Amino acid sequence: DIQMTQSPSSLSASVGDRVTITCQASQDITNYLNWYQQKPGKAPKLLIYDASNLETGVPSRFSGGGSGTDFTFTISSLQPEDIATYYCQQYDNLLFTFGPGTKVDIK
Amino acid sequence: EVQLVQSGAEVKKPGESLKISCKASGYSFTNNWIGWVRQMPGKGLEWMGIIYPGDSDARYNPSFQGQVTISVDKSITTAYLQWSSLKASDTAMYYCARRFYQLGSGSNWFDPWGQGTLVTVSS
Repeated sequence: DIQMTQSPSSLSASVGDRVTITCQASQDITNYLNWYQQKPGKAPKLLIYDASNLETGVPSRFSGGGSGTDFTFTISSLQPEDIATYYCQQYDNLLFTFGPGTKVDIK
Repeated sequence: EVQLVQSGAEVKKPGESLKISCKASGYSFTNNWIGWVRQMPGKGLEWMGIIYPGDSDARYNPSFQGQVTISVDKSITTAYLQWSSLKASDTAMYYCARRFYQLGSGSNWFDPWGQGTLVTVSS
């Protein structure tokens, strides 16, 4: 089965900073990679699908890239409302795996 | 509006059985897989399994196979997650989520999500 890793596990940045999270798959998943945001006490929310496609209504400061085994998620200008944990998730037919998550805080 | 509404929080004792629900509305229930995701206290998301309401075809994460049962009742557009004998380690928040499938590209993702059901197992 496919394993996912994320780094860092947590980060603290200032408002306006550029933040980048990486996600690595244990084998080639082409672009079958989604990103979710989970705010404290809330259900996860889809932000990016197929590695780089922004879900409708999601602010353009969020972006994703990569293919194969290495992926990135970027917040171009961190805002206070972006405090959350971010998860990557791969899909392989009807098997799904989430990354361990990256907790983002404001410095 | 596409919506998943889950049943309320539960407090159970070890060894008891439990069935939690996820009521779907606003889309074709029988044609969309629904998945379940566990989140233990302070931990990350774990995919547990998924079911196709049209024929009740269920697939499980091997880590959860035999530990839980996923089912549906098409007549009331509701999916279920059940345990026959709870353990303290089942204490967690459980989310249901629709697996959205994009025809042609094969892309899929979980959206929307239910609000979550908190299950607490304690003697």
